[in-house]
Amino acid sequence: DAGVTQSPTHLIKTRGQQVTLRCSPISGHKSVSWYQQVLGQGPQFIFQYYEKEERGRGNFPDRFSARQFPNYSSELNVNALLLGDSALYLCASSPPGGIDNEQFFGPGTRLTVL
Amino acid sequence: AQSVTQPDIHITVSEGASLELRCNYSYGATPYLFWYVQSPGQGLQLLLKYFSGDTLVQGIKGFEAEFKRSQSSFNLRKPSVHWSDAAEYFCAVYQAGTALIFGKGTTLSVSS
Repeated sequence: DAGVTQSPTHLIKTRGQQVTLRCSPISGHKSVSWYQQVLGQGPQFIFQYYEKEERGRGNFPDRFSARQFPNYSSELNVNALLLGDSALYLCASSPPGGIDNEQFFGPGTRLTVL
Repeated sequence: AQSVTQPDIHITVSEGASLELRCNYSYGATPYLFWYVQSPGQGLQLLLKYFSGDTLVQGIKGFEAEFKRSQSSFNLRKPSVHWSDAAEYFCAVYQAGTALIFGKGTTLSVSS
């Protein structure tokens, strides 16, 4: 079975530009979460979407936005990029279930902002 | 606010020796706890999880973890480390309704 897929693998942008990252969840999973992992740190929660609706948002500025499509894939958009946005962006999907669902992570997109 | 502390930034263990990685959490209710492993340039792989029941949980690759409510700890152990276990290890607590809260991670090096 295919796992969570993310594209692109790597991305280089300059300050002020905008970027879109994509994520396809595991088949049957309806929930997608996004995390930012800065070098040397643990992942930090950005967004969670379930059935195309935002279910949660971490402590990130409005430059960060996301959406989920009818096929449950998701995009993360970051506007007006800053050097500090350089990080590994991880997408995770969760199967339908209750409070004890678990999150399956993709390989991530490495974003470098110059 | 929920938080996870991994006191050890970097640990070096000889191949074949035992391993214990520490994790302390702060959470008001019954915690849902996880250990993930991340190899260089890779995503996160779930090693094991604790939701309820037996406080000693078994995971993949020979890892186990013990939940101790009185100490707010969820330490990861392995009786005999292999060179392929060198990686970064993250402890996480599930924040009800939305997200995993991760610790800063512990880097494991394995010496021969």
